[in-house]
Amino acid sequence: DSGVTQTPKHLITATGQRVTLRCSPRSGDLSVYWYQQSLDQGLQFLIQYYNGEERAKGNILERFSAQQFPDLHSELNLSSLELGDSALYFCASSVRDRGPAEAFFGQGTRLTVV
Amino acid sequence: DQQVKQNSPSLSVQEGRISILNCDYTNSMFDYFLWYKKYPAEGPTFLISISSIKDKNEDGRFTVFLNKSAKHLSLHIVPSQPGDSAVYFCAARGTYSGAGSYQLTFGKGTKLSVIP
Repeated sequence: DSGVTQTPKHLITATGQRVTLRCSPRSGDLSVYWYQQSLDQGLQFLIQYYNGEERAKGNILERFSAQQFPDLHSELNLSSLELGDSALYFCASSVRDRGPAEAFFGQGTRLTVV
Repeated sequence: DQQVKQNSPSLSVQEGRISILNCDYTNSMFDYFLWYKKYPAEGPTFLISISSIKDKNEDGRFTVFLNKSAKHLSLHIVPSQPGDSAVYFCAARGTYSGAGSYQLTFGKGTKLSVIP
């Protein structure tokens, strides 16, 4: 158990819909990272938050957004969903903001868009 | 453009033998490399890393070798155990995304199966 909690574990939704994925970081971790893993792809970095503020952006679509709340949990919002958005979405957390080398990953949320 | 490549999607090895997982990269600005292990239904777990100033790093049964001139790194597992069966991701750090933060670029992973 990494200490990072992601909910829900599985999500099935229709095209055009909007979903919210939730991540609770390890106690004391200030950084949260979101990654997308599509079929047969490596993990693609989406976005990082540090202590409530956006720190870095990767290949995140405009239809996607995220935020980190005062209690440090984070949510990834995916809207106008397309079939190609079906993927595993991982959240990771770390104490520092220097990059995820020491980050701990959650189990992921498997999103299926039908 | 895939900057980190793991060309072998899968690898099968007998228990007790050596497992060698390979990774190639194209970006010479990468300065730190990591291997992650991922079991089904779990998130990736950090395994071992190596700085670009070194050519070898060892941790128990796991050794990572870096050949900078060839832009190639490999993970050796000796001896391989059935519990090592997992997907192994190679990752490289070097993309400075501002405000003191570095991000990782991952390969697609290699599924290792260790046969008892």
